Amino acid sequence: EAQVTQNPRYLITVTGKKLTVTCSQNMNHEYMSWYRQDPGLGLRQIYYSMNVEVTDKGDVPEGYKVSRKEKRNFPLILESPSPNQTSLYFCASSLSDAALELFFGEGSRLTVL
Amino acid sequence: AQKVTQAQTEISVVEKEDVTLDCVYETRDTTYYLFWYKQPPSGELVFLIRRNSFDEQNEISGRYSWNFQKSTSSFNFTITASQVVDSAVYFCALSEVRSNDYKLSFGAGTTVTVRA
Repeated sequence: EAQVTQNPRYLITVTGKKLTVTCSQNMNHEYMSWYRQDPGLGLRQIYYSMNVEVTDKGDVPEGYKVSRKEKRNFPLILESPSPNQTSLYFCASSLSDAALELFFGEGSRLTVL
Repeated sequence: AQKVTQAQTEISVVEKEDVTLDCVYETRDTTYYLFWYKQPPSGELVFLIRRNSFDEQNEISGRYSWNFQKSTSSFNFTITASQVVDSAVYFCALSEVRSNDYKLSFGAGTTVTVRA
């Protein structure tokens, strides 16, 4: 089954404790991206990747890191999480770029205390 | 400035009523793409439609229809004869060309509640 898989789905952590949210897709998609969803703000892009070893900042990259060492994986790293990073995070992929349909993961709800 | 404006935060209707969700976008590009995504209460995001800027034909898919008007920069979405399963948050999105990619901007979403 074609899918984008994120883990963990739910996480409660404390300020400053590094965490990684994994994202994996099995559709051989070139493009992957991370979004955060906050009430009243819709989805805002954090980082995106056009291909392996190619990543770029989205609209709200501060406090986040990403890597794209393999085509299928695009982890989101919070080196020192803060309460303002409490949010619902979505990973998405598309065949080639953001002009095409995005396939989303199920979302990861992160709470930073 | 907001690239995509969904002025309706929440809409509540009774089953079988029609509901129209407004989407107004802003861009200087001549080539761009518009999308609608649905987020049901279970939380996942589901693609509904993609439209390029050169195709102003309206589209109908079952009970869903979309009206694209470049003259008013709008891409409105209508659910005909709504059902409880249509209850969801609906997002409109705009994809514009940037240097090496397309930039995708989402609206804030419209929450639709369909009451039985």
